[in-house]
Amino acid sequence: DGGITQSPKYLFRKEGQNVTLSCEQNLNHDAMYWYRQDPGQGLRLIYYSQIVNDFQKGDIAEGYSVSREKKESFPLTVTSAQKNPTAFYLCASSIGPGETQYFGPGTRLLVL
Amino acid sequence: KNEVEQSPQNLTAQEGEFITINCSYSVGISALHWLQQHPGGGIVSLFMLSSGKKKHGRLIATINIQEKHSSLHITASHPRDSAVYICAPITGNQFYFGTGTSLTVIP
Repeated sequence: DGGITQSPKYLFRKEGQNVTLSCEQNLNHDAMYWYRQDPGQGLRLIYYSQIVNDFQKGDIAEGYSVSREKKESFPLTVTSAQKNPTAFYLCASSIGPGETQYFGPGTRLLVL
Repeated sequence: KNEVEQSPQNLTAQEGEFITINCSYSVGISALHWLQQHPGGGIVSLFMLSSGKKKHGRLIATINIQEKHSSLHITASHPRDSAVYICAPITGNQFYFGTGTSLTVIP
């Protein structure tokens, strides 16, 4: 089955900790994206990658970091510099820029 | 400034009703994406369209590029259609996301 997976489904973080959210796809897509969703707001782009070993900041990249060492994987690290990390995080992929995006099931991050 | 406006924000309908969700945008676009977000948070792509109309089952999406407006219609609505519907115009490789329309279909 082709698809995009995210883990974990729920994640708890203590203040001051870095945490990494996993995103894996087996769709052979070149482009991958990380979004943050807060109640009452539209999806906001954190980072995106159009090809392996390359990524670009989105609208709200501060306090986050990513890597794209493999085509299939695009992990997101929420660093301690992100002051309000509690949110729902969605990963997506597409064949290329501007094409239909396929979304993972999301990870809910909660700061304790 | 909101590049994307959806209306209504919330919608409650009786099962079987015809439903229309509207999306207006201010940016020039190459295409527009309609997404469905289930109560658990998962998002599914419904349509990607750049002109005219597309139909899939009971769902119909239309777009008027000149008027910068798109609509999503659901015919013979069913409780399983209850979800948040999100409009996302696309400019080049940038997606602009609306805040969504929350639909509840009552049996």
